[in-house]
Amino acid sequence: SQKIEQNSEALNIQEGKTATLTCNYTNYSPAYLQWYRQDPGRGPVFLLLIRENEKEKRKERLKVTFDTTLKQSLFHITASQPADSATYLCAGAGNMLTFGGGTRLMVKP
Amino acid sequence: DVKVTQSSRYLVKRTGEKVFLECVQDMDHENMFWYRQDPGLGLRLIYFSYDVKMKEKGDIPEGYSVSREKKERFSLILESASTNQTSMYLCASSSPKTGGNSPLHFGNGTRLTVT
Repeated sequence: SQKIEQNSEALNIQEGKTATLTCNYTNYSPAYLQWYRQDPGRGPVFLLLIRENEKEKRKERLKVTFDTTLKQSLFHITASQPADSATYLCAGAGNMLTFGGGTRLMVKP
Repeated sequence: DVKVTQSSRYLVKRTGEKVFLECVQDMDHENMFWYRQDPGLGLRLIYFSYDVKMKEKGDIPEGYSVSREKKERFSLILESASTNQTSMYLCASSSPKTGGNSPLHFGNGTRLTVT
């Protein structure tokens, strides 16, 4: 079955550094990938979408890449801030949108 | 901004009870979804609806049903609640008018505990 995998271990980084989160997909080729942010006790909030024919997408301090050879998307937050601390979810579009388990990011001041 | 409102933030029910989770969206979206979120399992799709009175099974529909009598409202029904249905339930909506790759707009979830 189609699967989206994200590192379940929390990522701890220092303020000002670049955070890089990984999303791998297996058993299908999603036409696009979406990234969401989820804060504790809240629903996910959409951040970015990238199509399979786009290698890279940027929005302010966020950058997403889509590598169809590696079957992977990378999500970067540059100049990270403590306010960026949250869980980030990757979702791939096949017949349905399939979500990964999310990666928790902790940015320390 | 799209607003998706779930009627309850926290709910405690007993095993065997019939449970209704309500969701309302205010942006005239055609598509509505119910997910459950569990640690280590991510978001799993229970049911979705593309139009009024339409419903489609997601990945884990067993033990659940849904109702969509009005475009803005999508209800999730647990016919006979069981302890393994203790979870965070998330409602979402999207519009196909912006293309098949529309982002989902989520509510803030209902944390259901079945005792």
